[in-house]
Amino acid sequence: DVKVTQSSRYLVKRTGEKVFLECVQDMDHENMFWYRQDPGLGLRLIYFSYDVKMKEKGDIPEGYSVSREKKERFSLILESASTNQTSMYLCASSLVGTGVDTQYFGPGTRLTVL
Amino acid sequence: SQQGEEDPQALSIQEGENATMNCSYKTSINNLQWYRQNSGRGLVHLILIRSNEREKHSGRLRVTLDTSKKSSSLLITASRAADTASYFCATDSLNSGYSTLTFGKGTMLLVSP
Repeated sequence: DVKVTQSSRYLVKRTGEKVFLECVQDMDHENMFWYRQDPGLGLRLIYFSYDVKMKEKGDIPEGYSVSREKKERFSLILESASTNQTSMYLCASSLVGTGVDTQYFGPGTRLTVL
Repeated sequence: SQQGEEDPQALSIQEGENATMNCSYKTSINNLQWYRQNSGRGLVHLILIRSNEREKHSGRLRVTLDTSKKSSSLLITASRAADTASYFCATDSLNSGYSTLTFGKGTMLLVSP
């Protein structure tokens, strides 16, 4: 069964802290994605990766970086958390080829930055 | 770059009724997908319809696609309280030369017993 897990369901951090959000998929998927979801704005793509060590900016990459050292793991990094990064963060993966394949989502991490 | 826009933003119906949600998009697509999200959870894929298809069924779900009007609809028949969720359409778009999905803002469906 397809499974995408995220390291935390809820996270509270302070302004200026470095924050790591981890995502792991066990489906041998090539593609992985990070989104943030805010009320009234829907899902917005932050970064994506179509291969190990590969990363591409999405629509809103500012303030974020990512790391993909292994195929199954895609990490989102907030170098210096700010209050406007309080949001729901969703990780997703898809099999091969382009990102237009079905995406499988993790349960999400609700991050609050104080 | 937001592509799909769902309509209505919110829909409230009784169990047993049908629910129809619409999605409009701006540029040409290769396919369109519908996802469902229960409150505070991740999204779950429901159905994918390709640009050369006009209608697709999956259980109680029926999706139509009209590429001339750049719109799609999702019909849930004989709704149940468990169908209460947010529903999103997603279209493929180009991002840094790669194809990615762009999601709409969603329709929140409430099905009352």
